Amino acid sequence: AQSVTQLGSHVSVSEGALVLLRCNYSSSVPPYLFWYVQYPNQGLQLLLKYTSAATLVKGINGFEAEFKKSETSFHLTKPSAHMSDAAEYFCAVSPLGYSTLTFGKGTMLLVSP
Amino acid sequence: DTEVTQTPKHLVMGMTNKKSLKCEQHMGHRAMYWYKQKAKKPPELMFVYSYEKLSINESVPSRFSPECPNSSLLNLHLHALQPEDSALYLCASSQEAGTANYGYTFGSGTRLTVV
Repeated sequence: AQSVTQLGSHVSVSEGALVLLRCNYSSSVPPYLFWYVQYPNQGLQLLLKYTSAATLVKGINGFEAEFKKSETSFHLTKPSAHMSDAAEYFCAVSPLGYSTLTFGKGTMLLVSP
Repeated sequence: DTEVTQTPKHLVMGMTNKKSLKCEQHMGHRAMYWYKQKAKKPPELMFVYSYEKLSINESVPSRFSPECPNSSLLNLHLHALQPEDSALYLCASSQEAGTANYGYTFGSGTRLTVV
C-alpha cells in the first residue's frame, strides 16, 4: 500500500520565517499528493494538490509545494509564517485510479512571535 | 453551497445507547467517506460510498453501521460502542468516485465521547 512519511512531528518557526514541512511518498508510480491543514477541533482543509500537472503547485494562504520525482518528495513551504498558520498539517496520498486518501502522521506547526 | 455539514458537533453516549451521526453535502459529489480520528493521530478511513453504494469497508466493527439514503446524505449508526471508540468522526465528499483527483471536502466533524 502506498504511504507518505512526514519528517518531524513538530516544527517551530518564528513569525516571518520560512516554513518547510517535509513529506516523502513511497511509490514507484507517482501518485496524487495532497496537503491538508487542521485547526483544533475542526475538520481538514485542502491547501493544495499534485495531480500530474505542474510540479510546482500553489495553494491557499501563500503555501506552495514542489513535486520531485527523483527525491519522492512533496515538501510544503511558505516564505513568511504568520501566527494564524499554527495548526496540524497532513500530507496525504492517493494511488492513481483510487479515490481513497491515506494520511501521514501529521506535523504540528508552532509559530512564535 | 461548498460545504459538508455534520451533525451533531458533539455527542456523549453510553455503551448501551443507539445514536446516529449525520453528514450532508449539496455539491453533487459522487463519493462520500467516513473517517475516524483519534487525538494526535491522522484520520483513518472507515467507509467509502460511491454513487450511494458501499464500496469500501475497512474492516470496521459491526457496531458501526453506515447508510447512504440518497446522494446528498450519509449516516453513521452507532450501537453498543466502547470507550475506545471515542474520537472525532469526519465525513468527507469528493467530486468523482474512483479518483481523488479533485481532493476531498471535509466536514468539521462530530466529537464523540463514549462513557
